[in-house]
Amino acid sequence: DGGITQSPKYLFRKEGQNVTLSCEQNLNHDAMYWYRQDPGQGLRLIYYSQIVNDFQKGDIAEGYSVSREKKESFPLTVTSAQKNPTAFYLCASTWKETQYFGPGTRLLVL
Amino acid sequence: GQQLNQSPQSMFIQEGEDVSMNCTSSSIFNTWLWYKQDPGEGPVLLIALYKAGELTSNGRLTAQFGITRKDSFLNISASIPSDVGIYFCAGRDSGGSNYKLTFGKGTLLTVNP
Repeated sequence: DGGITQSPKYLFRKEGQNVTLSCEQNLNHDAMYWYRQDPGQGLRLIYYSQIVNDFQKGDIAEGYSVSREKKESFPLTVTSAQKNPTAFYLCASTWKETQYFGPGTRLLVL
Repeated sequence: GQQLNQSPQSMFIQEGEDVSMNCTSSSIFNTWLWYKQDPGEGPVLLIALYKAGELTSNGRLTAQFGITRKDSFLNISASIPSDVGIYFCAGRDSGGSNYKLTFGKGTLLTVNP
């Protein structure tokens, strides 16, 4: 079954804690993305990666970090520097000019 | 940054009615994509458009890439309750990165049975 998987579905973060969201794809896509979605707003780009071992900041990268050690994986770490982390996080990958999304992870702050 | 205006923000319709929503951009786009998102889920691609003037259908859905390359619309015919959700447009700016999309803020569709 080909697709994009994200885990966990729900994640709770304590104050001052770093948390990592997982994104895996078996579509053999080169480019992968992380977006943040808040109610009433469009998708905002956090980071993207065009190829293994390379990634670029998006529009709202502050307080986040990523790595791209394997083509299939693009984990996102929400650091303690991100003061308003509560949101729905979406991972995506691109084939040609078309972008496909994972099911999302909802991050909540305790 | 790039602006994408999507309208309407929300729609309340009766089952069986047709629906139309559109997106306009401040610059020329090379690609238009339409997605549907159910609550708590990721967006699902409905239709992809790659050429100006292109008209593409997917079941009861029809979308068009505007001739000016600055707009696109999505029509849903004979709506049913499972059409409920948020519909997003997205596009790739002709002058921008090949890897970055701009998204509209979405149209929330409610269908009364």
